[in-house]
This record gives sequence, structure tokens and C-alpha cells, in this order.
Amino acid sequence: AQSVAQPEDQVNVAEGNPLTVKCTYSVSGNPYLFWYVQYPNRGLQFLLKYITGDNLVKGSYGFEAEFNKSQTSFHLKKPSALVSDSALYFCAVRDIKNNRLAFGKGNQVVVIP
Amino acid sequence: EAQVTQNPRYLITVTGKKLTVTCSQNMNHEYMSWYRQDPGLGLRQIYYSMNVEVTDKGDVPEGYKVSRKEKRNFPLILESPSPNQTSLYFCASSQGAGLTYEQYFGPGTRLTVT
Repeated sequence: AQSVAQPEDQVNVAEGNPLTVKCTYSVSGNPYLFWYVQYPNRGLQFLLKYITGDNLVKGSYGFEAEFNKSQTSFHLKKPSALVSDSALYFCAVRDIKNNRLAFGKGNQVVVIP
Repeated sequence: EAQVTQNPRYLITVTGKKLTVTCSQNMNHEYMSWYRQDPGLGLRQIYYSMNVEVTDKGDVPEGYKVSRKEKRNFPLILESPSPNQTSLYFCASSQGAGLTYEQYFGPGTRLTVT
């Protein structure tokens, strides 16, 4: 079965600094990868996805993610973090063999003014 | 406005008292799913539905039931709730059942079983 690892529980970053949220995955076939964000007391919102093509994927709110097949990683990045980016971020992978969507445990991002 | 709605948003109940959490989407989506979110465990899929009358178990289906009689609705039923089902529940939908579609999530239902 597919799985996702988000190794850091919390990421602290100063406003204006680059933000990186790490994600590694495991699937038996080609991976379909997603990032979602959850603001307090809200449902998850889709940020971006990798299906095929360019390894650098651009998404909403200035976020991007880099797919690295050899390292089985899909790290989320933002060049300059905002206080409003403080939220819980989830990486997810879908496996072609069972069509299930597996989520990581989530990363709390805290952007310090 | 395109959205997934869930009701109720908050629910406190007692062990063994049957309850239903409703989920509805207005986007004509084929795929719908239920997840529970617990601290340190992320989101885990309970059940999903590829289309009307087609449902299947996710990773943690024990103690839950679902039905999909209409395309827009996908209620989650707890026949005999227990304290270990205290959690935050999310309904989600996507345009198709294919692998490439992102999911749209409802606002969540916080359930407490005493």
C-alpha cells in the first residue's frame, strides 16, 4: 500500500524567508502527488498536484513543489513566507493500483512576524 | 458557489446512540469520500464512492456505514458510536474517480462520543 512521510511535526520560519515542507512517498506504481492546506477550523484546500511532466509544479498562493523520482520526494516550497501561510499542510499520494489517496500526518507551519 | 456541505458541524452524543452525518456537494462530482482526522495520524479514509450505488471500504471502515443513493449526497452512519470514534470528520468529492483529480473538502464535523 502507498504511504507518505512528513518527517517534521512543525516548521518555524521567519516572515520573508523561504519556506520548505518536506514529503517523501512510497507507491508501487507511478505516483500522483498532492499538497493540501488546512487553516484553523476549516476543511482542507487543494494547493497543487504532480501528475506527469515538469518536475517543478506551481500552485496556489505562490506555492510550488518539486518532484524528485530518485529520492521519492515532493517537497513544498515558497520563496517568501507570509504570516498568513501559518497552517497545517498535508502531502498525499494516490496509487494507480487501488485509487486510494493516502495522506501524511501533516506539518504545522508557523510563520513568525 | 461550488461547495461541499456537512451537517452537523459539531455533535456530542453518548455511546450507542445511532447518528448520521450528512454530506452534500453541488458540483455534480462522481467521487465522494469520508475521512477522519486525528492528531498525529493525519487523515484516514473511512469509505469512498465512485458513483451512485457504488461504495467501498477505505482504511478504517469498522463501525461506520455509508450509502450513495443520489449523486450529490453521501451520508456517514454510525450505528452504535463508541468513544474511539471521537474525531474530526471530513467529507470530500472530486470530479471523477480518476487518479488525477483533486478533492474538494467540506468544513468538517467534530464528533464527541461520551
